[in-house]
Amino acid sequence: QKEVEQDPGPLSVPEGAIVSLNCTYSNSAFQYFMWYRQYSRKGPELLMYTYSSGNKEDGRFTAQVDKSSKYISLFIRDSQPSDSATYLCAMDNYGQNFVFGPGTRLSVLP
Amino acid sequence: GAVVSQHPSRVICKSGTSVKIECRSLDFQATTMFWYRQFPKQSLMLMATSNEGSKATYEQGVEKDKFLINHASLTLSTLTVTSAHPEDSSFYICSAASGGTDTQYFGPGTRLTVL
Repeated sequence: QKEVEQDPGPLSVPEGAIVSLNCTYSNSAFQYFMWYRQYSRKGPELLMYTYSSGNKEDGRFTAQVDKSSKYISLFIRDSQPSDSATYLCAMDNYGQNFVFGPGTRLSVLP
Repeated sequence: GAVVSQHPSRVICKSGTSVKIECRSLDFQATTMFWYRQFPKQSLMLMATSNEGSKATYEQGVEKDKFLINHASLTLSTLTVTSAHPEDSSFYICSAASGGTDTQYFGPGTRLTVL
């Protein structure tokens, strides 16, 4: 089993839809959870950074962490064509072990 | 599949020394490798893109004489930080892509501390 699993997609949704992106992981030691957005041939841009379980909201983005299920989610409300990108989850254990998921490719259709 | 490793995972060095970081694709051939730098809680900054057998393409503002990149084979790229200084202390991450795909597979990163 890989340390971090993520559906690679592609995921296509109509403009305005709510998008749900998810990752599961196997290492219970992970404490920090991140979501990145990467446009083609660009560096991943940090969207959300959360510590331990709970929800965090920033504009149209909401990150959820459920440590008991080893499951994290990123929700995008009112999705826009400009949200079309690859979304990567990443996890860290106090700097000891940093792992990216493989990424989910999202297309928001106008 | 699609596993990328980095070595070392952590390195501490004295100011003025050079440090080499290796990035390997373990189970696929990486025609393109990318090197990133990350400061705490920030986005990954693309430093350079390297294609096997050719010179790396550096992003604006990245000193190519300071950050030497070699992509000698389809499974190995190296980043050498020459004459490292404390401001070079950072988290360096590589990623690898094969063929014409956009999918990048990321390594676990190397934490560099320059004293």
